[in-house]
Amino acid sequence: EAQVTQNPRYLITVTGKKLTVTCSQNMNHEYMSWYRQDPGLGLRQIYYSMNVEVTDKGDVPEGYKVSRKEKRNFPLILESPSPNQTSLYFCASSLTGVNEQFFGPGTRLTVL
Amino acid sequence: AQSVTQPDIHITVSEGASLELRCNYSYGATPYLFWYVQSPGQGLQLLLKYFSGDTLVQGIKGFEAEFKRSQSSFNLRKPSVHWSDAAEYFCAVGATKYGNKLVFGAGTILRVKS
Repeated sequence: EAQVTQNPRYLITVTGKKLTVTCSQNMNHEYMSWYRQDPGLGLRQIYYSMNVEVTDKGDVPEGYKVSRKEKRNFPLILESPSPNQTSLYFCASSLTGVNEQFFGPGTRLTVL
Repeated sequence: AQSVTQPDIHITVSEGASLELRCNYSYGATPYLFWYVQSPGQGLQLLLKYFSGDTLVQGIKGFEAEFKRSQSSFNLRKPSVHWSDAAEYFCAVGATKYGNKLVFGAGTILRVKS
């Protein structure tokens, strides 16, 4: 089954404790992206990757890092999480950045 | 700046009534257009998309949308709403001229009353 998986689905952590949210897709897509969803703001892009070892900032990259060492994986790293990063995070993949994007189930992160 | 506007934050319709969700965008060229649905606690699922051709597109779950270039709109419609349609709906726009990404509207929450 074609899908995007994210782990964990739920995470509660404390300020400053580094964390990683994993994302993996099995559709051989070149483009992958991370979004955060906040009430009234829709989805805002954090980072995206057009291919292996090619990443770029989206609209709200501050406080986040990503890497793309393999085509299928695109982890999101929060080196020092803060409460304003409490949000719902989605990973997505697609053939290109302006094509239909396939979304993972989401990761709800709470930073205390 | 390029933007996507969904003017209605919340909409409530009766089950069986018709539905129209509005989406307007500001781009200089004809973009790629999408509608996604997000059920509570779920990820986003694509309802339909428009790239070119016939301006009335059909999607899943009985939804359709019409691209109107003159109005820069891509409104989503359904002739008869079911209680299971209660969800949040997002319009998204992509244009390579303005970056390699989709830009999402803020979403419209649909409530269905019986």
